[in-house]
Amino acid sequence: QKEVEQNSGPLSVPEGAIASLNCTYSDRVSQSFFWYRQYSGKSPELIMSIYSNGDKEDGRFTAQLNKASQYVSLLIRDSQPSDSATYLCAVRFFNKFYFGSGTKLNVKP
Amino acid sequence: DTEVTQTPKHLVMGMTNKKSLKCEQHMGHRAMYWYKQKAKKPPELMFVYSYEKLSINESVPSRFSPECPNSSLLNLHLHALQPEDSALYLCASSQDTKESQPQHFGDGTRLSIL
Repeated sequence: QKEVEQNSGPLSVPEGAIASLNCTYSDRVSQSFFWYRQYSGKSPELIMSIYSNGDKEDGRFTAQLNKASQYVSLLIRDSQPSDSATYLCAVRFFNKFYFGSGTKLNVKP
Repeated sequence: DTEVTQTPKHLVMGMTNKKSLKCEQHMGHRAMYWYKQKAKKPPELMFVYSYEKLSINESVPSRFSPECPNSSLLNLHLHALQPEDSALYLCASSQDTKESQPQHFGDGTRLSIL
């Protein structure tokens, strides 16, 4: 069984701050990592994908991957109340996606 | 709006009913997935179709029966469901089963079993 661990939160940050979301995974073979955002009652929405060690930036979002430490993170800069949601880390192993339990983020105005 | 379309959005059915959930994508994706998601939990994989063939069944009870009539369509046939089967059912697709391809989710069908 592949394990993907996330802190369930809630993580509360003030508007304009940086939110840092973390994820660890158990399988060293996995090569593809994804962050999804899920609003309450809605379906998961892909935010970022990352495959190589280091940082990948897209707008206010930065994904960081460290395969040696089996660690992937998501930074959200200039957090907005509309970023309040549950963030799911997903790790792909062949044709299966393993999801973490999600971190609930609250951005306070 | 997502490019994976699921119908119906809501479904209420009795335990003796037979119904079907439908999923459609026109992105040319060759892998399609069914997930079940309970409140405050992550999606749980049920089935994976790759090139219209069932490649993974995560020990799902036989009261759930998947079908992939063609590369754009995925159905989930429901029969004799239990109250604990009430959940959000998500369909997803990916370009293929190569490692680098992400999944894209539909909006889901919220299923309630009476």
